[in-house]
Amino acid sequence: GIQVEQSPPDLILQEGANSTLRCNFSDSVNNLQWFHQNPWGQLINLFYIPSGTKQNGRLSATTVATERYSLLYISSSQTTDSGVYFCAVVGRGAQKLVFGQGTRLTINP
Amino acid sequence: SAVISQKPSRDICQRGTSLTIQCQVDSQVTMMFWYRQQPGQSLTLIATANQGSEATYESGFVIDKFPISRPNLTFSTLTVSNMSPEDSSIYLCSVEDRISYEQYFGPGTRLTVT
Repeated sequence: GIQVEQSPPDLILQEGANSTLRCNFSDSVNNLQWFHQNPWGQLINLFYIPSGTKQNGRLSATTVATERYSLLYISSSQTTDSGVYFCAVVGRGAQKLVFGQGTRLTINP
Repeated sequence: SAVISQKPSRDICQRGTSLTIQCQVDSQVTMMFWYRQQPGQSLTLIATANQGSEATYESGFVIDKFPISRPNLTFSTLTVSNMSPEDSSIYLCSVEDRISYEQYFGPGTRLTVT
């Protein structure tokens, strides 16, 4: 099945810093989503982005489907951005969402 | 986007017992998914539940351990049977939006087995 790798596994930054999270996938995809899991365990949808670029406030994402990677950018980080960020994909011809191992982001005040 | 609720939000159970988790969606959906997230780990799909047919289980998960019901297009249950401490996890249900194909997740059920 399709493989999803995220990097870095852990990232510690000061408030106000910018960050880039990467997601590599091993095959063509129909769906790619980025999620933020907050400290209470809730998964929050950030982007549905199988290709192209999207922006939502301080967050933006780019997926280059032909090169099989996606990037999540967080600018001017806030402590509330802390948590685990997951990339998940649905491979071509599949129906299930396959998750990467996540990037744990810690923003210190 | 779909609004999904789960009950219970958390529970502490004795080993050997069973717990049924409910998932309710505010709109009709074709497929519902059940995931497990063990402590410190990523999410793993347990099974896909289609209304009117038996659930499809992923490798490593069996119906006897995780029976699933899907009585209608807005509701599903997952039972964790004969629990052991290794079943301590967050269990999440999700649905796929029929128009956008985006998946949305419920708030999860945090299960601790002692």
